[in-house]
Amino acid sequence: DAKTTQPPSMDCAEGRAANLPCNHSTISGNEYVYWYRQIHSQGPQYIIHGLKNNETNEMASLIITEDRKSSTLILPHATLRDTAVYYCIVRGETGANNLFFGTGTRLTVIP
Amino acid sequence: NAGVTQTPKFRILKIGQSMTLQCTQDMNHNYMYWYRQDPGMGLKLIYYSVGAGITDKGEVPNGYNVSRSTTEDFPLRLELAAPSQTSVYFCASSYSREAYEQYFGPGTRLTVT
Repeated sequence: DAKTTQPPSMDCAEGRAANLPCNHSTISGNEYVYWYRQIHSQGPQYIIHGLKNNETNEMASLIITEDRKSSTLILPHATLRDTAVYYCIVRGETGANNLFFGTGTRLTVIP
Repeated sequence: NAGVTQTPKFRILKIGQSMTLQCTQDMNHNYMYWYRQDPGMGLKLIYYSVGAGITDKGEVPNGYNVSRSTTEDFPLRLELAAPSQTSVYFCASSYSREAYEQYFGPGTRLTVT
């Protein structure tokens, strides 16, 4: 499974969009990009995933570049409850069974 | 559905003691996982199971044992606790390996002194 690189921390003003970047330059064609978040030592929570196309659900949007080497998770209107560590994970249909959680990006939403 | 439940929430062990961390899921998921998370770090896979009676090692299995006698339960056993096992333990489940979402329990915070 491809490795990902994320900034260690980011701040975002409450009500503004939070844009969290992720680099995955070694991603292969059948590998998906997943985003999870972990709020204050709780269990991680699934947010969204995608392969090639941009995706949107009730929580967030995922923008994947055309070459698939990077992606951005967008929280459109960040709230204080979005303060968490966000993990970008790449995983294919074969290979490891687990999700590889790196150290993620600690997002702090500021009032 | 309760989802994934874990007990206990907290535990303090002395070096050399043993204990079992319990994990139960009520979603009829085939796959179950045990992860550990050390302070400031990501999660590391300890063991996983693809169905009742089938388990396999993950990235950091030493010092742990698991069993999977039912679909619902996946207990993690620490036989001789060591300070290096001080960590937060998360159990997770998914319908299949390809399922995009793993559901995590609330975690067990273990301290070994």
